[in-house]
Amino acid sequence: GEDVEQSLFLSVREGDSSVINCTYTDSSSTYLYWYKQEPGAGLQLLTYIFSNMDMKQDQRLTVLLNKKDKHLSLRIADTQTGDSAIYFCAETSNDYKLSFGAGTTVTVRA
Amino acid sequence: KAGVTQTPRYLIKTRGQQVTLSCSPISGHRSVSWYQQTPGQGLQFLFEYFSETQRNKGNFPGRFSGRQFSNSRSEMNVSTLELGDSALYLCASSLDRAPREQYFGPGTRLTVT
Repeated sequence: GEDVEQSLFLSVREGDSSVINCTYTDSSSTYLYWYKQEPGAGLQLLTYIFSNMDMKQDQRLTVLLNKKDKHLSLRIADTQTGDSAIYFCAETSNDYKLSFGAGTTVTVRA
Repeated sequence: KAGVTQTPRYLIKTRGQQVTLSCSPISGHRSVSWYQQTPGQGLQFLFEYFSETQRNKGNFPGRFSGRQFSNSRSEMNVSTLELGDSALYLCASSLDRAPREQYFGPGTRLTVT
């Protein structure tokens, strides 16, 4: 895996949609992931997408992958206060290790 | 099914000491990976074990080592601790070496004084 970049902060109003963006450089990436980390906790796997897919939807979560531009996004519909956390984008290729972005801190305001 | 467990959850050590952290993967999972999380460097891969063998290693000095037992439980050891080793150490388990779902434990918070 190589570099993974994501914006550091996102503020969103409760009930709105959140969109977190990520770019990666490794063209051999096979799986791309979104993890959530709440204060004092480990990483919770939210969803992942195989590199030959364009989109994956799982309840309130929608992942979009643009492989040509190496761009991954996570959309959270109807954002709730419990969605406040740090969200990490990660990718893996044939070496199986996860390479993470720096994390996006999402703050949900009432 | 129980998740990934890590012990201890918190640890305070002095520079120069050594430390051993433990990870029990999800039942049936055979691959265990370790990651270090710090504010400055973020999440960095340490190593991966599968079938009691180290399969992959990150860019860390030889003071960082690990092993995996026949029941898939894993330990990592850090010798001659430095202040910069203060971090959250996370363990992740997956069913096999296929790069699909990796589940993380709550981590061990190591503070070196």
